Parts: sequence; structure tokens; C-alpha cells
Amino acid sequence: DAKTTQPNSMESNEEEPVHLPCNHSTISGTDYIHWYRQLPSQGPEYVIHGLTSNVNNRMASLAIAEDRKSSTLILHRATLRDAAVYYCILRDVAGNQFYFGTGTSLTVIP
Amino acid sequence: NAGVTQTPKFRILKIGQSMTLQCTQDMNHNYMYWYRQDPGMGLKLIYYSVGAGITDKGEVPNGYNVSRSTTEDFPLRLELAAPSQTSVYFCASSDLTSGGNNEQFFGPGTRLTVL
Repeated sequence: DAKTTQPNSMESNEEEPVHLPCNHSTISGTDYIHWYRQLPSQGPEYVIHGLTSNVNNRMASLAIAEDRKSSTLILHRATLRDAAVYYCILRDVAGNQFYFGTGTSLTVIP
Repeated sequence: NAGVTQTPKFRILKIGQSMTLQCTQDMNHNYMYWYRQDPGMGLKLIYYSVGAGITDKGEVPNGYNVSRSTTEDFPLRLELAAPSQTSVYFCASSDLTSGGNNEQFFGPGTRLTVL
């Protein structure tokens, strides 16, 4: 499975938008891009996923570069509850395994 | 639905002891997974199962065994515990849906210390 690269940490002010980047330069044509987040002392939870087109759901938006070598998770208005580690993961449509990197630790400042 | 439940929540083992971490899901998911998470690190897949009677190794299977006799249960067995197995263990389940989503639902984790 292809690897992803994310910044170790980011900060955001409360109620401001947050853009979390992810590089995946070796992505293949059949890899889906998944984002999960892990709140302190909890298991990860699903945020969003996409293949080629930008995606929106109630939690976030996912912007995928045209060449698919990078993507950005967008939280439109950060809240204190969004403080978590965010993982960008690639998964082949035929594969059953997720490879979690070390993720980006997001701090939200009140 | 309770989702994915794990027992115990915490456990301390002595080197060489054995134990089984229990995982149960009530969502009728075919896929189940065991991960470990070391401090400050991401999750690493230990074993997974795509259905009852079928299991396969993940990234870090050494020192562990699994079985899947029912859809609901996926126990993880540690034989001859070692300090390197000190970690938080997460169980997850999922079902493939259209659109490539394999959303995994995670349990609350078991914190294991081997001394």
C-alpha cells in the first residue's frame, strides 16, 4: 500500500477553518483516500473518504488534487472537540488493510 | 447497538504469561481487525478476518494468534507475553459498501502492560 506524509502537528484558533494536508505521491489509480481521527483515549473514528472528486459530509470536506498526489481535509469551523490526531490513509479498493501513519495532532486554541 | 466492545479495559501481565483479549461486534459485519498502538505512534494491523473461519496476517502478527468461529467474535491470543507487547490494542469491524468505503468502527481499546 502507498504511504502518506502528514505534518506532525498543527494549531488552529477556535471557530476558524483548518486545512490538514496529506501527501501521497505514490498513490495508484485504485487507491481510495480515507481520513480518520482519534480523540484522546479513544479508538479512531471515520471522518471522510474519496477517490477523485472533492467530497463533503457533515463533519468535513475533502479536497483532492487533480493529480491525486495530495489531498486536504478541511474542517470548516474548528471546535475544541475537534482536537485530535488526524490520519490520512490510502486503501486499495481490493485491499482489506489500512495503514495508519503517525498522523497530524491538531490543537484547537480557545 | 453496542457497536464494538472489548474486554478487559486494562491488564497487567508478567513476562511469559498468556491471555486472550476479547472483541465482540453486534453490527453483523463480515470484516474484523486487531490493531496495536504504541505510545505516540499510529495503529499497526496485527490480524484481520474477512468472515467466520477466515483470518489473515497483518503488518505485525508475531507473538499473536486469532480465531474467528462466529461473525460476532474475534479474540486475540497472546502467548508468552513480552515487554515489547506493552501497547493499547484496538479491535475494529467493517463491511464493504459501494463507493469504496470500508468504514471501520473501533472499540474503546485494551491497555496492556507486560512487566
